[in-house]
Formats: sequence, structure tokens, C-alpha cells
Amino acid sequence: AQSVTQLDSQVPVFEEAPVELRCNYSSSVSVYLFWYVQYPNQGLQLLLKYLSGSTLVKGINGFEAEFNKSQTSFHLRKPSVHISDTAEYFCAVTLRAGGTSYGKLTFGQGTILTVHP
Amino acid sequence: GAGVSQSPSNKVTEKGKDVELRCDPISGHTALYWYRQRLGQGLEFLIYFQGNSAPDKSGLPSDRFSAERTGESVSTLTIQRTQQEDSAVYLCASSLGDYPFTDTQYFGPGTRLTVL
Repeated sequence: AQSVTQLDSQVPVFEEAPVELRCNYSSSVSVYLFWYVQYPNQGLQLLLKYLSGSTLVKGINGFEAEFNKSQTSFHLRKPSVHISDTAEYFCAVTLRAGGTSYGKLTFGQGTILTVHP
Repeated sequence: GAGVSQSPSNKVTEKGKDVELRCDPISGHTALYWYRQRLGQGLEFLIYFQGNSAPDKSGLPSDRFSAERTGESVSTLTIQRTQQEDSAVYLCASSLGDYPFTDTQYFGPGTRLTVL
């Protein structure tokens, strides 16, 4: 079975500072990787996903993530955050084709990013 | 609105009562998922629909939980004889379904269930 660990439950940063939200996964088979964001009082929204190809993936709102197969990590980064980036961020994986996962997502526990002025 | 909608947004019930949660997916999306998020925990998969069949029910925690879907439209999640541990936010997501492994899942706002 696969699992996802988000190493920080809360990350406080100041506006315009860089941020990295860490995600590690464990799986016996290859996976696809996702980052979702949940803004206050809103539903989950896809930020970016890694399917194949370049290990550096760019998403919406200036976020990017890098897939590192040897370290089984998929850390999310932004060079300069805004107040509006305050939200909860979820890392997730799904198994690649060949099994019976049907795309069901396995999520990490979430990281609350709080951007202070 | 063209997004996934869920109703009710909040539901408070007494232990032992049955509840029904509704999900309206994005039109044309054949794949539909239910997840739940209990306080302090990550989202857990419950069930997957492709059309009106459910090839993966592996996440349903007990036989008190059931779900159905009408065609490629509305889905209802029913919890019978609710228990306090059922308190959670129940999320529904839909995707195109052409290739569910990589299709983007679009999430609804969730139903917050509180069992007293």
C-alpha cells in the first residue's frame, strides 16, 4: 500500500519570503503525484501534478514542485509568497495504471501555510 | 456554476439516525469519488464510481455505509445508524473518467457531518 507524509503540519512565513512544503511518499509501485490546495471555506483545487517527463512541474499561482525518485519526494516551492497563499496544502499520490486503484488519491495529512504581512 | 456541488453543507444528527449526503458532479464526468476527512486526519478514499457501477468500494469503513449513483449524474452516500466516529467532512470529486489514473479530480465543497 502507498502512503504520503507531509513533514510539516504548519508553516508560518512572511510575505514575499520563499517557502517549501515537504512531501515524501512510500509505494511499492510507480505513482503519479499531485498537490492540492484548500483555501479557507473553499473546496480542494489542483495546484499541479507530475505524470511523467521533466521532474520539475509548474503549477498555478507561481507554485512548482520537483519529483525526486531516489528520495521519494515531491516538495512544493514558491519563491515569493503572498498573503493570498494562506491555505492548507495537500500532497497526494495515485498508483499508475495496471492495478485497481482507478485513480483514487492517497493524501498526506496537510500543511497549513500561513503568510504574515 | 459548473463545479461539483454537495448538499447539505452541514448536517447535525443524533447517534443512531440515518443520513444521506448528495453529490452533483460536473456534467459529462463519468468518474466520481467519495472521500472523508476526519478532524486532524488526511482525506480517506471511500468509493469510486465509473458511470453507475462501483468497481472500487474498498474504502467504505463498514456495512453501515453505502452509496449509489444514478447514471452519470447524482450520487448519494448513505450512513445508517450513525456513530460519533462518523463525524467528518465528506467530500465528493468527479473527473472525466477517460483515464482515471491521471484525470484531474474536481472536488466539491464538502458536507460537514456532526453526530451527537
